[in-house]
Amino acid sequence: GENVEQHPSTLSVQEGDSAVIKCTYSDSASNYFPWYKQELGKGPQLIIDIRSNVGEKKDQRIAVTLNKTAKHFSLHITETQPEDSAVYFCAASRGGGYQKVTFGIGTKLQVIP
Amino acid sequence: GAGVSQSPSNKVTEKGKDVELRCDPISGHTALYWYRQSLGQGLEFLIYFQGNSAPDKSGLPSDRFSAERTGGSVSTLTIQRTQQEDSAVYLCASSLSFGGSATNEKLFFGSGTQLSVL
Repeated sequence: GENVEQHPSTLSVQEGDSAVIKCTYSDSASNYFPWYKQELGKGPQLIIDIRSNVGEKKDQRIAVTLNKTAKHFSLHITETQPEDSAVYFCAASRGGGYQKVTFGIGTKLQVIP
Repeated sequence: GAGVSQSPSNKVTEKGKDVELRCDPISGHTALYWYRQSLGQGLEFLIYFQGNSAPDKSGLPSDRFSAERTGGSVSTLTIQRTQQEDSAVYLCASSLSFGGSATNEKLFFGSGTQLSVL
């Protein structure tokens, strides 16, 4: 089955700096890569996703990149703000008719004001 | 409802007791998932449903765990003879349908049930 590895497990940055979280996956058939943000006491929420036919996607201060050959994908947050502090999960799935979503272990991001 | 609803939000039980966790998905969402989140761990897949059937139960940790879904809507996760290692947050998520587009694949999570086994 799919195995998703994520690092770092914790990340502290100064407000205004950038944060980068990296993930690798094992299943070459995976083609959908979402990122979820989990705030304390809440369930994870989708913040951005990317499909394997795209190398990069951006939404305001967040961007994701995908290297399908190397099976790497990354989340980039620029101009970090205290409200970005949360746990971030990467995930992978095959999409299509098989939709089991496998998550990474999560990265606890702390943005220091 | 507006989102995925889980109940109870917190459950404290004694070792050996059975517990039932409930999930009300977003209306019209045909796919439903259960995940477990232990302290400091990621999201561990347990089971998913397409309608009332469960094509993949591979994540259920043992035969003490079972889940059902009725009417293509509400799902219950049952843990029999609870053990201390069952203590975790149990998260439910739903999505519109299988595959086809990224919109359909977006998971909507509930806030979870915090289970504590003493």
